[in-house]
Amino acid sequence: QKEVEQDPGPLSVPEGAIVSLNCTYSNSAFQYFMWYRQYSRKGPELLMYTYSSGNKEDGRFTAQVDKSSKYISLFIRDSQPSDSATYLCAMSADNAGNMLTFGGGTRLMVKP
Amino acid sequence: DGGITQSPKYLFRKEGQNVTLSCEQNLNHDAMYWYRQDPGQGLRLIYYSQIVNDFQKGDIAEGYSVSREKKESFPLTVTSAQKNPTAFYLCASSMALRGGGKQYFGPGTRLTVT
Repeated sequence: QKEVEQDPGPLSVPEGAIVSLNCTYSNSAFQYFMWYRQYSRKGPELLMYTYSSGNKEDGRFTAQVDKSSKYISLFIRDSQPSDSATYLCAMSADNAGNMLTFGGGTRLMVKP
Repeated sequence: DGGITQSPKYLFRKEGQNVTLSCEQNLNHDAMYWYRQDPGQGLRLIYYSQIVNDFQKGDIAEGYSVSREKKESFPLTVTSAQKNPTAFYLCASSMALRGGGKQYFGPGTRLTVT
C-alpha cells in the first residue's frame, strides 16, 4: 500500500461545477499538507499549503485537512477550463520538508 | 524575476552516454531537490541537498549523481548505469529550516534516451 493514495482520474466536470479532489494517507506523523497544480509538460505550482488540521481558503480554492481520518481535500468552486490540470497532493512530517511524499496526482478536465 | 530555471527543456541522448541536467535558482533557498516523474506517476525523489557541498540520496538514487558547489546550482548527471533514464526531471528548492515543507519547482527537463 502506498503511503499517500490519490485517485488518478481523469475527472471530467462541466464548467462552473464544484470539484472535490482527495488524498488519503497512512503516516500519522504528517503535519504539513500541500496541493500542487501541474499543467501538461510543466513543473508543479504550489497552490495551497496547510499546517495540521483545519481549512484554508484562497479565492475559489479551499483546502481541508482531517488528521483524525488521515484525509485531505481540495475544493474548487466555479471551476473553469483553465483549471484543467493534474493536481498533486504532498505532505511532510517535518518543518524542513526535505522528505515530501507525493500522491500520484488526479487529472482534472473542466469542459466549457 | 526570482525563480528556478532548468535547461534544456528537451534533451535527447543515445544509450550509454552520460548526460547532465542543469538547475539554477535565485530564490536564496538553502535546499534543492531532484525528482523524476514518469507518465501518470507522482514524483519520486532522486537526490536532495540542504547545504553547499552536501547532498543525500533519495528513494531512487541509483544511476544518478549530483554536486552542490554553489548555493544557486544543483546539476544532476544521469549516468549510463541508469536502466530507464527516459523521464521528466524536475528540480525544486525550499527554505531548508523555516519553509514548512514548501518546495518550489522549475519547469522541468524531458529526457529521451534511445
